[in-house]
Amino acid sequence: AQKVTQAQTEISVVEKEDVTLDCVYETRDTTYYLFWYKQPPSGELVFLIRRNSFDEQNEISGRYSWNFQKSTSSFNFTITASQVVDSAVYFCALSENTGTASKLTFGTGTRLQVTL
Amino acid sequence: ETGVTQTPRHLVMGMTNKKSLKCEQHLGHNAMYWYKQSAKKPLELMFVYSLEERVENNSVPSRFSPECPNSSHLFLHLHTLQPEDSALYLCASSQGYSSVVSYNEQFFGPGTRLTVL
Repeated sequence: AQKVTQAQTEISVVEKEDVTLDCVYETRDTTYYLFWYKQPPSGELVFLIRRNSFDEQNEISGRYSWNFQKSTSSFNFTITASQVVDSAVYFCALSENTGTASKLTFGTGTRLQVTL
Repeated sequence: ETGVTQTPRHLVMGMTNKKSLKCEQHLGHNAMYWYKQSAKKPLELMFVYSLEERVENNSVPSRFSPECPNSSHLFLHLHTLQPEDSALYLCASSQGYSSVVSYNEQFFGPGTRLTVL
């Protein structure tokens, strides 16, 4: 069975600090995809990034960066120079192909609080 | 309307009521999902529909009954719920039925906050 672990339940930082959110996953599939979603207080999950199991290149998008390490089954997310608007719950997810639709296994989420 | 919409946004019901949650996606997707989000628990996948056929049903109690009349609409019919069913119910859609379906990200609606008294 697939599993995603986000060990950090809550993180509090002061604005402009860098913060890393950890994600560790378990799967027996050789081909899989990993995702990060952001859930602001409004409730809607917002897609941030997708990464496939064959691409271990790190990715940077503005203040966001992701570090995928297959050897340690980790897909960590770093926010550089955090801002108050980054306050949200962040979910890591692992996909499973059911054949006709994608099925996501989510971690329990990390609540990030950024204060002034 | 754009993206995925859900109505109502908030719902309070008694255990003997019957109500329905509605989800509509405006993205041209052909797969739709219902998730339950309870406090301090991972999002739980409840149902998956692809091309209007149910392809996944994760041992959800029969008091939850999904309906997918077309690829743009998804309903969750509720009856005789229990207080532990109080949660945020999220709908999502994705482009499915392709050779690389697990690559496709899911787009989520804002959810319906359900309280069962």
